Formats: sequence, structure tokens, C-alpha cells
Amino acid sequence: AQSVAQPEDQVNVAEGNPLTVKCTYSVSGNPYLFWYVQYPNRGLQFLLKYITGDNLVKGSYGFEAEFNKSQTSFHLKKPSALVSDSALYFCAVTLKSSGDKLTFGTGTRLAVRP
Amino acid sequence: EAEVAQSPRYKITEKSQAVAFWCDPISGHATLYWYRQILGQGPELLVQFQDESVVDDSQLPKDRFSAERLKGVDSTLKIQPAELGDSAMYLCASSSKQRNTEAFFGQGTRLTVV
Repeated sequence: AQSVAQPEDQVNVAEGNPLTVKCTYSVSGNPYLFWYVQYPNRGLQFLLKYITGDNLVKGSYGFEAEFNKSQTSFHLKKPSALVSDSALYFCAVTLKSSGDKLTFGTGTRLAVRP
Repeated sequence: EAEVAQSPRYKITEKSQAVAFWCDPISGHATLYWYRQILGQGPELLVQFQDESVVDDSQLPKDRFSAERLKGVDSTLKIQPAELGDSAMYLCASSSKQRNTEAFFGQGTRLTVV
């Protein structure tokens, strides 16, 4: 069975500071990892994905994530946070590069203060 | 930009009534997913279609939930009878058969059972 853990319910950061949202995963096989963002009463928007190759993945809105196989982690990062980044962030994992169900973490609320 | 369409956006229904949600995936996407997101949790898969066939409905409460995708395009998720615990966001997503592609989500239907 596959699972995702997001250990922080909420992350607070000041605008302009770097941010990190943590994610660890557990799968029996090679993982395909995703980050999605959700704004209030909206669906999920895709941010970035790791399929294979370079461990540092760049995505939308200046976000990036680093895949670390030895630590089974896929932390989301951004060098300089914006107030508009405040939202709910979900990490997800599958065992196939496409057409497979996503297993999500419980989400981390990011709050960026001005 | 192509989007996954869902309707209605919001639905309030009384306990024991029937309710239905509709989803129109991105054109050409063979895989369609219905997820349920309870407040404060990550989305969980209810059912996955590949074209018109169900490939995973292991988490669908089949005594009250049903889903269909008759022509392999749009899909309907039904609950009959609704229970208070069904209050949640119901998210539809779709993805193509191409490798290394992510799932795209609709805006969701927020269901409140009273």
C-alpha cells in the first residue's frame, strides 16, 4: 500500500522569506510524486511533479521540490513567499506515470503574513 | 485552456434524499476519477474509469453510491439515500493515457446533507 505523510498541519512564514512544506512517502516501487494547491472552495491545481531524472523539479508560480530517495521525501520549496501563496497544499504519490490513482497526504495550510 | 467541468458547485440536500453530481472531463482524456474530500482531509478515490469501464471502485460505498460513464465521456455520481456523513467536497479529475501526465481537477461540488 502507498501512503503520504505531511507532518505539519500549518506552516507560517513572512512574505519574502523562503518556505518549505514537508512531504514523505511510502510505496513499494518507484514513486511518481506530485504537489497540488487548493484555494478555498476550489478544486486542486497542479503545481509540479517528479517522474524521473533530476531530483530538483521546478513548477508553477516559482515553486520547486526536491526528491530525496534515501529519505523518501519530496519537500516543496519557494525562495521568496508571497501573501497570495497562502492556500492548502497537498502532496500525492502514484506508482505509474499516468492513469493511476493519486494517494494524497492530509494537506498543509500555508499562511504567509505581510 | 481546457478544464474539467463539474456541476452543481454547491448542493444542499436533506438526509435520505437522492443527489447526483455531473462531470465533463477534458476532451480526449480516457481516465476519469471521482474523489471525496472530507473537510480537513486529503482527497480519497471513490471510483476510477478507463473509458466507460470501472477500473477501481474498491472505496465506493456501493450500498448507496453509484457511478456511471456510459459513453466514456461525461460521468455521473449518485448518492441514494444521502446521509449526514456524506457531507464533503466531491472532486472529479481526468487524465490522458500519455505517459508522464498529471491529473486535472474540476472545481468540485460541495455537498451539505442536513
